[in-house]
Amino acid sequence: AQKVTQAQTEISVVEKEDVTLDCVYETRDTTYYLFWYKQPPSGELVFLIRRNSFDEQNEISGRYSWNFQKSTSSFNFTITASQVVDSAVYFCALDMEYGNKLVFGAGTILRVKS
Amino acid sequence: DTEVTQTPKHLVMGMTNKKSLKCEQHMGHRAMYWYKQKAKKPPELMFVYSYEKLSINESVPSRFSPECPNSSLLNLHLHALQPEDSALYLCASSQAPQEEKLFFGSGTQLSVL
Repeated sequence: AQKVTQAQTEISVVEKEDVTLDCVYETRDTTYYLFWYKQPPSGELVFLIRRNSFDEQNEISGRYSWNFQKSTSSFNFTITASQVVDSAVYFCALDMEYGNKLVFGAGTILRVKS
Repeated sequence: DTEVTQTPKHLVMGMTNKKSLKCEQHMGHRAMYWYKQKAKKPPELMFVYSYEKLSINESVPSRFSPECPNSSLLNLHLHALQPEDSALYLCASSQAPQEEKLFFGSGTQLSVL
C-alpha cells in the first residue's frame, strides 16, 4: 500500500523567513513518482513538481527547492524568503508508475504573515 | 489555453434533486479525472477517463454518474445525494493517461441539504 505523511498540519511564518514542508512516503514499488501541489484559497491545485524515483537530484526553481532522499523516504519542500502569496495548503503526493492514482498526504497549511 | 474550467462554482441541492457538474478543457488532454475533497482533507480520486472511456471507478456510489461526451468535456451527474456528499468536487486533466502531471480546475463547492 502507498502512503504519504505530512506531519506538519499548519505552519506560520513571517514574511522573508525560510520554511520547510516535510513529506515522508511509503511504497513497495521500485518505480514511483512524487509530487508537490499547492492549493491557494481559490481552490484549484497547482502543480509544482514531479520527481521520479530514480532521480535523486535536488531541484531548485526560483525560491522553491526540493530535497529527495530515498534513504529516508522523504521529499521535503523548502520555500526561501517566503511571501504572503505563498500562503496556501501544500500537498505532497505519490503515484506508482502507470498508476493514475495520486495518493495525497493530509496537506500542510502554510500561513505567511506580513 | 491551459485552463480546466468547471461550472458551476457553487451548487446547493436537495436530496431529491438531480444536478450535473461540468468540466471542460481545450488542451487536447486525453485523460480526465474527478476528485472529491472534503473540508480540511486531501483530494480523493473518484473516476478516471482515458480516451473518453471510464478506466477507473474508485468504488463510488451509483448516485454519482460520470459521463465523458467527448475528449474536451467531462460531466458528473448527481442524483439522490446525501448531506455527507457535500464537498469540493475537482476536475483534472492530463495529456495522456499515464502522464501524471495533472491540471486542476477550481472546483464546484457542493452543498447537499
